[in-house]
Amino acid sequence: DGGITQSPKYLFRKEGQNVTLSCEQNLNHDAMYWYRQDPGQGLRLIYYSQIVNDFQKGDIAEGYSVSREKKESFPLTVTSAQKNPTAFYLCASRGGQGRNQPQHFGDGTRLSIL
Amino acid sequence: AQSVTQLDSQVPVFEEAPVELRCNYSSSVSVYLFWYVQYPNQGLQLLLKYLSGSTLVKGINGFEAEFNKSQTSFHLRKPSVHISDTAEYFCAVSLVQAGTALIFGKGTTLSVSS
Repeated sequence: DGGITQSPKYLFRKEGQNVTLSCEQNLNHDAMYWYRQDPGQGLRLIYYSQIVNDFQKGDIAEGYSVSREKKESFPLTVTSAQKNPTAFYLCASRGGQGRNQPQHFGDGTRLSIL
Repeated sequence: AQSVTQLDSQVPVFEEAPVELRCNYSSSVSVYLFWYVQYPNQGLQLLLKYLSGSTLVKGINGFEAEFNKSQTSFHLRKPSVHISDTAEYFCAVSLVQAGTALIFGKGTTLSVSS
């Protein structure tokens, strides 16, 4: 079955450490997204990519970085500059022309600070 | 700027009672509308979407929603809820004219008790 795979499911970060969250999709979707979810805050957009080798900052990009070298993969790095990284991170993808298509979501990665 | 407001952060109901989760949006241009459901520690699953046509949209798990353009609302309803409907529900909009990420509301937690 096609879908989005996020790994790991749980991740712990030490102070000053960069960590990378993996997101892989086999839906052949062009667009991919990273969201951060905090209790009572809904989903906030970190980065998105409409096509390979191109990506755009979302509303809360500071302290994060991404790459899009392959259509299937959109990893997110949480850098040491992100002072409050504890959250639930969701990756999504979107097919077709994007606008009227729903986003498909992975099962998320929960990041915590040690 | 576009925004989505979910008017209730928490909605407690008894099993087999009807429920309405309210969503208002603000946009100066046409939008597509979506409702998603999230179970604990999981990603988001699409319940239903409104793109055009009939303003009453039926989705999965017995949910439906009505698009009201004059009131800029897209309320979600179910005539009889089950314990298994306990989850967080998100309303989201997508601009018709721009292929960017969805804009999400902050979510409504539906708690169904017996």
